[in-house]
Amino acid sequence: NAGVTQTPKFQVLKTGQSMTLQCAQDMNHNSMYWYRQDPGMGLRLIYYSASEGTTDKGEVPNGYNVSRLNKREFSLRLESAAPSQTSVYFCASTRGGGALNTEAFFGQGTRLTVV
Amino acid sequence: AQKITQTQPGMFVQEKEAVTLDCTYDTSDPSYGLFWYKQPSSGEMIFLIYQGSYDQQNATEGRYSLNFQKARKSANLVISASQLGDSAMYFCAMREVSTDSWGKFQFGAGTQVVVTP
Repeated sequence: NAGVTQTPKFQVLKTGQSMTLQCAQDMNHNSMYWYRQDPGMGLRLIYYSASEGTTDKGEVPNGYNVSRLNKREFSLRLESAAPSQTSVYFCASTRGGGALNTEAFFGQGTRLTVV
Repeated sequence: AQKITQTQPGMFVQEKEAVTLDCTYDTSDPSYGLFWYKQPSSGEMIFLIYQGSYDQQNATEGRYSLNFQKARKSANLVISASQLGDSAMYFCAMREVSTDSWGKFQFGAGTQVVVTP
């Protein structure tokens, strides 16, 4: 059982380049999330998708776009990468709905460096 | 506004001792969930323990227990009998369902724990 799979694991981009981070989950979860992790700041929510067909901005959405391609997949796109987007990116999923006691399952993370 | 506050950036603890990691939260929602995650140096996020706002008893999972003080909006993680493998970053998180934060997990800045022999 793979859980949450993110690709790639590492990426170096030049300023201004674009890329898409892929995320897929095989747990039939409704909700999916993209976070970025920076030292001293914990995990900050970029975008989330409460259910298939819906997406919403999180705390730090500027410079990013997302697509909930289907129930399994939730991608994050950087249209024009900036050095400030150097970070570790995590995709997560949860069963969603009104249940509170559903922990988030995380992918392994993508370490992105923008030079 | 910061909803989850972890005031201890780093802690050292000796093997076999207990350690308490502080977490305070801010919400006006009567219904919420509190979570703790562990992130070892390898980077993955590992779920440790959950406490619901309506739970009457403090949650426990093996060596992990959650000291939940609802009136103080505090959800401290206690790790008993620390082991070298407990060295990691620990994150407190909250999930609300009845506000505009619906369904989102919000994380604190984390506490780095180093267990020494």
